[in-house]
Amino acid sequence: GAVVSQHPSWVICKSGTSVKIECRSLDFQATTMFWYRQFPKQSLMLMATSNEGSKATYEQGVEKDKFLINHASLTLSTLTVTSAHPEDSSFYICSASTSGGVFNEQFFGPGTRLTVL
Amino acid sequence: AQTVTQSQPEMSVQEAETVTLSCTYDTSESDYYLFWYKQPPSRQMILVIRQEAYKQQNATENRFSVNFQKAAKSFSLKISDSQLGDAAMYFCAYRSEKGSQGNLIFGKGTKLSVKP
Repeated sequence: GAVVSQHPSWVICKSGTSVKIECRSLDFQATTMFWYRQFPKQSLMLMATSNEGSKATYEQGVEKDKFLINHASLTLSTLTVTSAHPEDSSFYICSASTSGGVFNEQFFGPGTRLTVL
Repeated sequence: AQTVTQSQPEMSVQEAETVTLSCTYDTSESDYYLFWYKQPPSRQMILVIRQEAYKQQNATENRFSVNFQKAAKSFSLKISDSQLGDAAMYFCAYRSEKGSQGNLIFGKGTKLSVKP
């Protein structure tokens, strides 16, 4: 099946610094990538949707300037958390889908745990 | 806007027994997809089963089957012959067929425990 990787799997940073998380589709071209945030014992909350070469579409309440999303190629999307603060600590999950499939199924990455000190 | 409701925060089942997880959804659309995802402690989201709304036949994948009641907007998951490896969070999800990029709307999840 389709494989999506995320890097890093776990990152600890100091408050005020920026952190970049990469999401890669390893064996398929992802026309659309999604970024989710998941707090402990809660569901996945969609943060934004990005199409290759286009600006990301952010969900209501998600700060565009804080969570920068770049989808520069059909296999790579990045999420940069700028000026991170402790409240940004969370589990970030990306998923990728490709057009043409019957379900346009989303394939999920393994997630990145961000801890901001 | 569409919503997905999972009314059982936690469920428990004895190994080898059968358990049913509930999911209801609200939509005004006629064409859509429904999914059940499993999230084990590793946090990796795993697709368990999916159903197209236009299909009356309930989807089945080995020990996993669904009871899809379109009129009632209900989509329950039945796990037969439960195994220890089935212990995980289970999320029900909805996806519109039209007018979207495939955004998934998730329920709050049900934590399933399997007792040996």
